[in-house]
Amino acid sequence: AQSVTQLGSHVSVSEGALVLLRCNYSSSVPPYLFWYVQYPNQGLQLLLKYTSAATLVKGINGFEAEFKKSETSFHLTKPSAHMSDAAEYFCAVSDHGFQKLVFGTGTRLLVSP
Amino acid sequence: DAGVIQSPRHEVTEMGQEVTLRCKPISGHDYLFWYRQTMMRGLELLIYFNNNVPIDDSGMPEDRFSAKMPNASFSTLKIQPSEPRDSAVYFCASSQNRDRGRLTEAFFGQGTRLTVV
Repeated sequence: AQSVTQLGSHVSVSEGALVLLRCNYSSSVPPYLFWYVQYPNQGLQLLLKYTSAATLVKGINGFEAEFKKSETSFHLTKPSAHMSDAAEYFCAVSDHGFQKLVFGTGTRLLVSP
Repeated sequence: DAGVIQSPRHEVTEMGQEVTLRCKPISGHDYLFWYRQTMMRGLELLIYFNNNVPIDDSGMPEDRFSAKMPNASFSTLKIQPSEPRDSAVYFCASSQNRDRGRLTEAFFGQGTRLTVV
């Protein structure tokens, strides 16, 4: 079965620093991969998605992610963190034949001044 | 479109009572998903529907949980009887986006925070 693993339940960065949130997937075929963001007391919002086109995917709010088949990874990055980026981030996978999204355990991003 | 609409936003109930959560998907979407979010277990898929038909309910924790989708614009998740361990945030999501059979995006509602005391 397809799955994703997010390394680190919490990541702390300073405002202006690089953001790196890690996601590794397990799939028997090239998957579709997603990053969602959840702000406090809100639902999940799609940040970006990889659907087998370009391996470097750009999303909203300056985030991007790169699909690396050799590393089975889909890490999320942002060059310069902003206070408003503080939220929980979820990686998800949609595998061939599966009509649903399977989510990772989430990573809470903390941004300090 | 107003997005996926869930009601109520907050529900506090006593153990043993019946609880009904409601969801209105985005118009035109043919898939509907119910998720549960807790600190301990993260986001769990409970059940999903395609064209109002339940496709996979393997995530429903117990017989106390049931879900229906009587039409394309409405779904309910019912817990009877409720227990304190059911306390969680319940999300509804909908989608119409497919690429070669794979889901390409799901839109989430704001969630219902359920507290069972």
